[in-house]
Amino acid sequence: AQTVTQSQPEMSVQEAETVTLSCTYDTSESNYYLFWYKQPPSRQMILVIRQEAYKQQNATENRFSVNFQKAAKSFSLKISDSQLGDTAMYFCAFTQGAQKLVFGQGTRLTINP
Amino acid sequence: DTGVSQNPRHKITKRGQNVTFRCDPISEHNRLYWYRQTLGQGPEFLTYFQNEAQLEKSRLLSDRFSAERPKGSFSTLEIQRTEQGDSAMYLCASSPGLSDRYFFGPGTRLTVT
Repeated sequence: AQTVTQSQPEMSVQEAETVTLSCTYDTSESNYYLFWYKQPPSRQMILVIRQEAYKQQNATENRFSVNFQKAAKSFSLKISDSQLGDTAMYFCAFTQGAQKLVFGQGTRLTINP
Repeated sequence: DTGVSQNPRHKITKRGQNVTFRCDPISEHNRLYWYRQTLGQGPEFLTYFQNEAQLEKSRLLSDRFSAERPKGSFSTLEIQRTEQGDSAMYLCASSPGLSDRYFFGPGTRLTVT
């Protein structure tokens, strides 16, 4: 079965701190794509960062970076210099080719001033 | 590029009524997905289209649910004889061919009373 597990239902940090959100997944495929999506309160889902499983180099997008451990099937998201606008639900997801996304349960992240 | 749009944004209906939602994908995106998201959970896949062909349906999609994508452009999701358990956010996403990039709409929030 294809599953995604986010073990932290909620997290809270102070502005400017660094925070890491955890994600593990299960798939028998060797080639797939991993994503972190952000869903602010009452707003639509937007892509934060994506990683191609065949690439060993961890993806980075400005303050956002991932730690991709393929053998461990782990895909954590690090947010550096956190900002108030980072407050949102964060979903880890993966897909195999042009197929459906499989999402985790989400982590509610609150950035406090 | 005007993004993925969904209408209506909110729908309140009484149990037993039929409802229909519409999704307009980004033009020329040949893949279109429907997901359902209940409060505090990650989105769950319902069905997806490549052009006008419905290629996969989740077992979550009971026979009360039907989706169409005539002419491979906009899509509709109909729920017949709504039940309180159908209350959720219904998300639409589109993707260009052979891409792992998914663009989400704002969703339609359904409340069944």
